[in-house]
Amino acid sequence: AQKITQTQPGMFVQEKEAVTLDCTYDTSDQSYGLFWYKQPSSGEMIFLIYQGSYDEQNATEGRYSLNFQKARKSANLVISASQLGDSAMYFCAMREPNTGFQKLVFGTGTRLLVSP
Amino acid sequence: GAVVSQHPSWVICKSGTSVKIECRSLDFQATTMFWYRQFPKQSLMLMATSNEGSKATYEQGVEKDKFLINHASLTLSTLTVTSAHPEDSSFYICSATVRDRVNQPQHFGDGTRLSIL
Repeated sequence: AQKITQTQPGMFVQEKEAVTLDCTYDTSDQSYGLFWYKQPSSGEMIFLIYQGSYDEQNATEGRYSLNFQKARKSANLVISASQLGDSAMYFCAMREPNTGFQKLVFGTGTRLLVSP
Repeated sequence: GAVVSQHPSWVICKSGTSVKIECRSLDFQATTMFWYRQFPKQSLMLMATSNEGSKATYEQGVEKDKFLINHASLTLSTLTVTSAHPEDSSFYICSATVRDRVNQPQHFGDGTRLSIL
C-alpha cells in the first residue's frame, strides 16, 4: 500500500508568491518522521525540513514551513516568497522507526515551476 | 551541514563491463547507507540498505549478484554494477545516516548518471 501520497504532479507559482505542496501519509506507528527534499534538474537531493510525529509545533526553516495536521495525516510544505531557484522536484518522505534501518519511503514528487 | 560525496558523477561504458560507484560521508560516521535508483521523471526507488561491517539488505526484486554493495568502513560504501547492460542505465544515488536517530535526515550524494552503450 502506498504510504506517501503527493497528488500534485505539477504546480505553477509566480515569483514572490507563496505555494503549498501537498503530502499525505499512512502509518500505524505513533513515532515517525516526515521529511521534504528538493531535487533540482542537476539531480542532487537537498534536505529542506523535518517534522517529528511528536513535535507540537509546525517545523520552519527559513522560507520553508510545514503545515502538519496529524489527525488528517498530512504534512504540506509551504514555500513563502517563491524564487526562480525554487523550480525543482519536491519529494515528501516518511521514516518509520520499526523498519529496522529506518528506511525512507518517498512520494511520487511534485514538480514546481516558478515563473517571473 | 553533513556532506556526502559520490563518485563518479557520470559514467559511460560499454556493455559487459563492471562499474563501481563510491559513496563517502565526509564529516560524520555513517552507520547506515542507502542506495537508490531513479528513472527519469520518477521517484527514488530503494535498492538496498548497507550497514557497516555487515551484508547489505536488498529490496525485493533487486539482484544481489548484479548490484554488489560493500560497506567496509563508517565512511565508505560502494555499489558495483556487474556486467552492466543498457537496461542498467539509470541515475544512482546514495544516502547516509546515523542509525537510531529518527530525527536525522538522510544526507544524499549528488548521484551518478550511468549510461551503458
